[in-house]
Amino acid sequence: NAGVTQTPKFQVLKTGQSMTLQCAQDMNHNSMYWYRQDPGMGLRLIYYSASEGTTDKGEVPNGYNVSRLNKREFSLRLESAAPSQTSVYFCASSEWGLIQPQHFGDGTRLSIL
Amino acid sequence: AQTVTQSQPEMSVQEAETVTLSCTYDTSENNYYLFWYKQPPSRQMILVIRQEAYKQQNATENRFSVNFQKAAKSFSLKISDSQLGDTAMYFCALWENEKLTFGTGTRLTIIP
Repeated sequence: NAGVTQTPKFQVLKTGQSMTLQCAQDMNHNSMYWYRQDPGMGLRLIYYSASEGTTDKGEVPNGYNVSRLNKREFSLRLESAAPSQTSVYFCASSEWGLIQPQHFGDGTRLSIL
Repeated sequence: AQTVTQSQPEMSVQEAETVTLSCTYDTSENNYYLFWYKQPPSRQMILVIRQEAYKQQNATENRFSVNFQKAAKSFSLKISDSQLGDTAMYFCALWENEKLTFGTGTRLTIIP
């Protein structure tokens, strides 16, 4: 089925470890996003990419880096994981540019010990 | 600064009844968009409905409709003939200046 695919679905890291979350979409969308969702809160934007080759900071970018590898793929990297980064991470894509994300992945539950 | 407030952390309603979820927002912009997203237990976020601020007509998608009161900065979601599959977290979101801000969500339970 067409959509947004995130890997992995679950991950446990130790403080200080690094990790890359992968995201790919097969809908030929220009815009892609990374969000985090914490208990009792809505989603907060980490980074977004309006088009291939461009990335911009969102609301909570500290501690993260991103790469828009090509039009399909948008990865999120934690260089040195911290317990405060324990969260559920969602990747999303949109065909309408920087309006709203339309299609979300299933999320990655990340725990930092 | 833009904010989105959902004052109902939890709601429940009998199957087939109508339920309204509240959302208020604050923005200094005149051009913006409002959305409702649904997040079922499967965790995936699903776009339910979208409203452009410049449109006076309330958006409707099948059993879902909104009551958009621009002057009051209110954007409520009405679900008619509620179904068990409507059980989910519902998030209101405001888009302006290339930024999307979510509310804290309302957990809706449909009772059989």
